[in-house]
Amino acid sequence: KNEVEQSPQNLTAQEGEFITINCSYSVGISALHWLQQHPGGGIVSLFMLSSGKKKHGRLIATINIQEKHSSLHITASHPRDSAVYICAVQGQFYFGTGTSLTVIP
Amino acid sequence: NAGVTQTPKFQVLKTGQSMTLQCAQDMNHEYMSWYRQDPGMGLRLIHYSVGAGITDQGEVPNGYNVSRSTTEDFPLRLLSAAPSQTSVYFCASSYDGGPNQPQHFGDGTRLSIL
Repeated sequence: KNEVEQSPQNLTAQEGEFITINCSYSVGISALHWLQQHPGGGIVSLFMLSSGKKKHGRLIATINIQEKHSSLHITASHPRDSAVYICAVQGQFYFGTGTSLTVIP
Repeated sequence: NAGVTQTPKFQVLKTGQSMTLQCAQDMNHEYMSWYRQDPGMGLRLIHYSVGAGITDQGEVPNGYNVSRSTTEDFPLRLLSAAPSQTSVYFCASSYDGGPNQPQHFGDGTRLSIL
């Protein structure tokens, strides 16, 4: 049983497209994190959410605590957005398996 | 800012060998942790520490030991390497380990056990 489920597992998009990655979780949480992992492995924290919506540049993250669901949106996608995006909850003890995004020029 | 530094970046071991993966952070963070990342699985917590002298087990602790003698360092020891421990290992730290604290990750150690 996975406490955190992400969809889709893999995603290929054309440059400029609007992208949505989904995360559903089954545990009670006080915060949800979105992480980015580039080829070569480094992991960086993108967002930390406990309610509502946050925006950073072309990235937008939303969370619905009642529905136990979060989404990460990328507007005007670019090849440099190609990476694995990981959802994590409960102090980052539980991680999703990641969504591998490839943006084609 | 160095952040979280892991060494080595790559390592190949033979079954039965022991080794230590090093992790150091320069942000004065109390909370440090080790994860392993395997294909098709999310990051899984091996061990964590909430401060110097305090360690605890995570989800997959078997075959690994840790110690935390200083705030800065949190080494992970493989006592007798097994092929099942082939993985990418990440060390991370956060201010106090609270669920609202962002974690800072090292660049990872890619370990192969033959």
